[in-house]
Amino acid sequence: NAGVTQTPKFQVLKTGQSMTLQCAQDMNHNSMYWYRQDPGMGLRLIYYSASEGTTDKGEVPNGYNVSRLNKREFSLRLESAAPSQTSVYFCASSVMQATNEKLFFGSGTQLSVL
Amino acid sequence: QQPVQSPQAVILREGEDAVINCSSSKALYSVHWYRQKHGEAPVFLMILLKGGEQKGHDKISASFNEKKQQSSLYLTASQLSYSGTYFCGTEQDQAGTALIFGKGTTLSVSS
Repeated sequence: NAGVTQTPKFQVLKTGQSMTLQCAQDMNHNSMYWYRQDPGMGLRLIYYSASEGTTDKGEVPNGYNVSRLNKREFSLRLESAAPSQTSVYFCASSVMQATNEKLFFGSGTQLSVL
Repeated sequence: QQPVQSPQAVILREGEDAVINCSSSKALYSVHWYRQKHGEAPVFLMILLKGGEQKGHDKISASFNEKKQQSSLYLTASQLSYSGTYFCGTEQDQAGTALIFGKGTTLSVSS
């Protein structure tokens, strides 16, 4: 069981470059999420997708776009990377976006923007 | 709105107890607790729903006081394996909203 798979694991970008972080889950979950983690800031919600075909902004959506490509895949795009986007990015999924559903996290992508 | 966790850090010796608190300025529908070991992904511990229930898992338990908009995580007779950062995630008083996490509490257990 792969669970939630994120690629790449590490990435270094120059300011202004663009890239897409990929996330796929094989648990047939309906809901998927992107969080970023910075020292002392905890996990902050960037975007989420309650179900295929829907996406919503979280706490810190500026500078990011997302695509729910299908039920399995939810990608996060940085159009013009900035040093403030240096962070560890976690993708997560849950059966559905309901109050009693736990999140399953991927192993994270460590992104550095120079 | 991000919940507030306290304390920020706890240092324990094996066998000691700890309490981690999570509070919100908004009404809560549920509280989730996760633990993250260094360099790893967060892992689910437990969920508490409205109704003031208390849950337990081995020597880790939690309570949820919806009137006070607070939850507490209790770690008793701590073990080395309890070390890590603990996050509470809250869902505001509306079913189906995504989790908002606190900044975390780092727990260090030494022998």
